[in-house]
Amino acid sequence: SYVLTQPPSVSVAPGQTARITCGENNIANKRVQWYQQRPGQAPVLVVFDDSDRPSGIPERFSGSTSGNTATLTVSRVEAGDEADYYCQVWDTTDHYVFGSGTKVTVL
Amino acid sequence: QVHLVQSEAEVKKPGASVKVSCKASGYTFVSYALHWVRQAPGQSLEWMGWINTGNTYTEYSQKFQGRVTITRDASASTAYMELSSLTSEDTAVYYCARVNYGDPYYFDPWGQGTLVTVSS
Repeated sequence: SYVLTQPPSVSVAPGQTARITCGENNIANKRVQWYQQRPGQAPVLVVFDDSDRPSGIPERFSGSTSGNTATLTVSRVEAGDEADYYCQVWDTTDHYVFGSGTKVTVL
Repeated sequence: QVHLVQSEAEVKKPGASVKVSCKASGYTFVSYALHWVRQAPGQSLEWMGWINTGNTYTEYSQKFQGRVTITRDASASTAYMELSSLTSEDTAVYYCARVNYGDPYYFDPWGQGTLVTVSS
């Protein structure tokens, strides 16, 4: 099995934009999901199928993929966005593969 | 509203087994799969396996094959994950999560998690 590559941490000021990357060979050919996990809580799906948002997730959360990198963008960051974020893909061999996780700190 | 409610935290000795439950509500139980994912302290997420809640077909990650058993009681809208031959490396929070059969690429929603601590 393997783990998708994410930066360990990202820091952002309130109102600014946070970009979290997820690296994997040809990730643009896979369907990418993103989960938010606040401290002590279960993960919550914030983006699926690269760029779709579940109902109830603010438009400030958006996803994109290109080549070997998927990106979760959080616009107009708020204090409540401080959390760990994980990317995830489905793989024919390993089934469900997660990223190493990125801790987003709101300054 | 869809809810997955898991059983309480457990403390087990090395070599023992643990069985975690996941009770579903707010939807037709057999219309969605249930998966199990674990998270060791300070670590990322790790997929363990899943069950077709309709026909009880199961599939497990190779890492856990032979040690994990996922079952369900459709009359109780509850799935179970049993992990045997526990070691300290199995100390983790175990989550159940729902998956759509027609679009099986993502988990939504998740249970609240069950902490399993393995310690002598």
